[in-house]
Amino acid sequence: GDSVTQMEGPVTLSEEAFLTINCTYTATGYPSLFWYVQYPGEGLQLLLKATKADDKGSNKGFEATYRKETTSFHLEKGSVQVSDSAVYFCALSGATGNQFYFGTGTSLTVIP
Amino acid sequence: KAGVTQTPRYLIKTRGQQVTLSCSPISGHRSVSWYQQTPGQGLQFLFEYFSETQRNKGNFPGRFSGRQFSNSRSEMNVSTLELGDSALYLCASSLPTLAGRNEQFFGPGTRLTVL
Repeated sequence: GDSVTQMEGPVTLSEEAFLTINCTYTATGYPSLFWYVQYPGEGLQLLLKATKADDKGSNKGFEATYRKETTSFHLEKGSVQVSDSAVYFCALSGATGNQFYFGTGTSLTVIP
Repeated sequence: KAGVTQTPRYLIKTRGQQVTLSCSPISGHRSVSWYQQTPGQGLQFLFEYFSETQRNKGNFPGRFSGRQFSNSRSEMNVSTLELGDSALYLCASSLPTLAGRNEQFFGPGTRLTVL
């Protein structure tokens, strides 16, 4: 079945460091891929998405490219800020229905 | 446009009781999904409703049930509560497509504590 495998955390970075959170997926057909972010005490917010191979999603300095050949959707940001401290979830939506499959989440802490 | 709202935000129950959680989706969204989030298991899919019909179901016991009303509002019910049901229950809504694949918009969640 469809699934998402996400880099284990927690991740601690200094402000202005480069961020990569790895995400790979298994799916039949051509899923849509998403990154969500969850700040403490809140629900999940959509960060970015990509709906077909080679699409690049971007938002707030974060980027991720849909790589079908490597079944990956890694999240990157060139210079993290303290305000980026949160839990990040990779997710996919399969070819049928509206069921989402989420990764386990990666906790990011950015220290000044 | 108002976001997804969930009520109540916090709930404390005792073992054996039952509980009903409510979710109001974004206006125009007809798909509503429910998730259970715990530190140990992460985010687990409970079920999804579309046009008052359950379209997908996760791997949870029958104590977990849900329904959707004609105005797309949804409720989930947990009967005979167990300590392990303590979790953050998240509701998400998305735009009406039969094929799915649209992003989901999440509510703030209901924090359920079972004592």
